[in-house]
Amino acid sequence: DTAVSQTPKYLVTQMGNDKSIKCEQNLGHDTMYWYKQDSKKFLKIMFSYNNKELIINETVPNRFSPKSPDKAHLNLHINSLELGDSAVYFCASSQGLAGPNRYFGPGTRLTVL
Amino acid sequence: QKEVEQNSGPLSVPEGAIASLNCTYSDRGSQSFFWYRQYSGKSPELIMSIYSNGDKEDGRFTAQLNKASQYVSLLIRDSQPSDSATYLCAVIMNRDDKIIFGKGTRLHILP
Repeated sequence: DTAVSQTPKYLVTQMGNDKSIKCEQNLGHDTMYWYKQDSKKFLKIMFSYNNKELIINETVPNRFSPKSPDKAHLNLHINSLELGDSAVYFCASSQGLAGPNRYFGPGTRLTVL
Repeated sequence: QKEVEQNSGPLSVPEGAIASLNCTYSDRGSQSFFWYRQYSGKSPELIMSIYSNGDKEDGRFTAQLNKASQYVSLLIRDSQPSDSATYLCAVIMNRDDKIIFGKGTRLHILP
C-alpha cells in the first residue's frame, strides 16, 4: 500500500507550458508539503498545508500554486514553466506541523526544455 | 552561517568500518533533529531522530547530539555497501518550527 503517491513520476515539457503534479496520502495525516530538490540535491520546502489551509509559503514565484481539495490531496500547478524549474519535486505528509516529514512521495522529475 | 550545514562529500569508508557523518546548525534553541537516508533516484526516508543531548542507538546507527556545540552526528557501525547513499541532516528551527534540511553528505562504502 502506497502511503504517499505522486503523479506523474516523470514530466518533460517545453518552456512556457502549464503543468500540474498530483499528490495523495492515505495515512490520515493533517499536514502535507511540497519540496523541491535541485540538481545539487538541496531539498527545500515550498509549501505546507495543514487541514487544507496554507501554512508555509516560502519564497516561491507565484507561477507555483498549490491546491488542496481535501486533507488527503495536495496538488501543485505550475504556470509558464522556465528552465530553472527543472528539478525533482517531492510531496510529503506528517501528522502535525512539527512532524519530521517521515513520509515522502516517490518524487516527480520535471524537465523543462 | 547556513542554517544546517553538512560536508557534501563524497565520504568513502571501507566495508566493515565506522562511517561518521556530521552536521551543524545555527538556531541554538532548536530541539528536534533528524537523519534521513536518500538512495540515488529515490525519496528521503527517516532513519533516526534525536531530541536530547547524548547518544541514541538503533541497530548499527547511533545519533549523537551536542546542543551546546550545535552539532549532531550519525555513526554507522559495520558499514555495508547498502549504506551507500546521501544522508540528509534536518533540524526543526526553534524560531518558526520549520524543518530545514542540510545539503546532504554522499557516503560511499568501499567493498
